[in-house]
Amino acid sequence: RKEVEQDPGPFNVPEGATVAFNCTYSNSASQSFFWYRQDCRKEPKLLMSVYSSGNEDGRFTAQLNRASQYISLLIRDSKLSDSATYLCVVTGGGNKLTFGTGTQLKVEL
Amino acid sequence: DAGITQSPRHKVTETGTPVTLRCHQTENHRYMYWYRQDPGHGLRLIHYSYGVKDTDKGEVSDGYSVSRSKTEDFLLTLESATSSQTSVYFCAIRGGLAETYEQYFGPGTRLTVT
Repeated sequence: RKEVEQDPGPFNVPEGATVAFNCTYSNSASQSFFWYRQDCRKEPKLLMSVYSSGNEDGRFTAQLNRASQYISLLIRDSKLSDSATYLCVVTGGGNKLTFGTGTQLKVEL
Repeated sequence: DAGITQSPRHKVTETGTPVTLRCHQTENHRYMYWYRQDPGHGLRLIHYSYGVKDTDKGEVSDGYSVSRSKTEDFLLTLESATSSQTSVYFCAIRGGLAETYEQYFGPGTRLTVT
């Protein structure tokens, strides 16, 4: 079983739609969780950290369910510019991060 | 902008040649990391550093070595490049204003081994 699992997609959605991604992780000791965004042929960029209480940043909402060991990302009112690959990231041992392989989102007119 | 640069940005080399990739940061971060990214695998940690001359292996360290003689520079060396090392290599630093687990990435180096 992979340490971090994501549906690779692609998720094809119309502009203005709401879309949600889930991610499951296997290490119950993981303490920190993140969503990164990666555009084609670019470096990953931190989108948001995920807190136990859930957190929101504009159109983006992240949730953590420790009991079921999954993380979610909700994007409301999708924009064309949201098209990218979204990486789920959790802390592994020590100072290391474990990355999912990403979920591809395509927002269409 | 985390002030991270990587050089070269693109390189084509032949099997068996040595290759060194450089990561440079301007903000005095303690932790630095080297990853490779390949289709279907996500980002995988090669080596990381937790201070000058302090380094440790990641999950895919075979065939790679690193050095950190200054806080700002973290070098990744492929002693004898193989075709399986064709990949995109990203350097990262850890943390922002305070020590956190968040990592910030450089622009990447595309390496092709022929």
